[in-house]
Amino acid sequence: DTEVTQTPKHLVMGMTNKKSLKCEQHMGHRAMYWYKQKAKKPPELMFVYSYEKLSINESVPSRFSPECPNSSLLNLHLHALQPEDSALYLCASSRRGINDGYTFGSGTRLTVV
Amino acid sequence: AQSVSQHNHHVILSEAASLELGCNYSYGGTVNLFWYVQYPGQHLQLLLKYFSGDPLVKGIKGFEAEFIKSKFSFNLRKPSVQWSDTAEYFCAVNAYSGNTPLVFGKGTRLSVIA
Repeated sequence: DTEVTQTPKHLVMGMTNKKSLKCEQHMGHRAMYWYKQKAKKPPELMFVYSYEKLSINESVPSRFSPECPNSSLLNLHLHALQPEDSALYLCASSRRGINDGYTFGSGTRLTVV
Repeated sequence: AQSVSQHNHHVILSEAASLELGCNYSYGGTVNLFWYVQYPGQHLQLLLKYFSGDPLVKGIKGFEAEFIKSKFSFNLRKPSVQWSDTAEYFCAVNAYSGNTPLVFGKGTRLSVIA
């Protein structure tokens, strides 16, 4: 199993809603990442988890709240988002400290209305 | 911190033409270098990667890239493009240890016309 699975694939939410994005991998990777990608732009790093601990938060607003319940799962909790938060949210994983490259999921396309 | 520059924003080629996309990086140490491709509406896929050894790296779908350390460059090439190569191409870099996050260039959109 060499893939990263993200659910849902599409999400439309209102600015007062609370929703969660989920990411799962079973490759034994101990580093997991959230990236945000706007249309025709490169992915921008949001969070890094290393061995289930948050190691990097790239000054992301608190309306985005990551969680890593175990080594296979990564969640991104969303609350009170703004329309400008609409984007493709990508999850990735890698073997920590090993230069293998990242495996990316297909992403969740989020629309905030 | 690492940074990546991709100078070509949009490249338009005819089928069978040769391709070269530029990528330059900035970092004070040894790096890993990657090229990712994103087909319309799809996720990022790894084309090729360089860690060490032979600076000419061959990847999937007939792509190759050459690492030139003195120029801090990692240009992507393909001798003959096809219509199906139409996509966004991202160069990315992280520290050789693998312990820094992957940083992406702004991307180059390739349009291949018949």
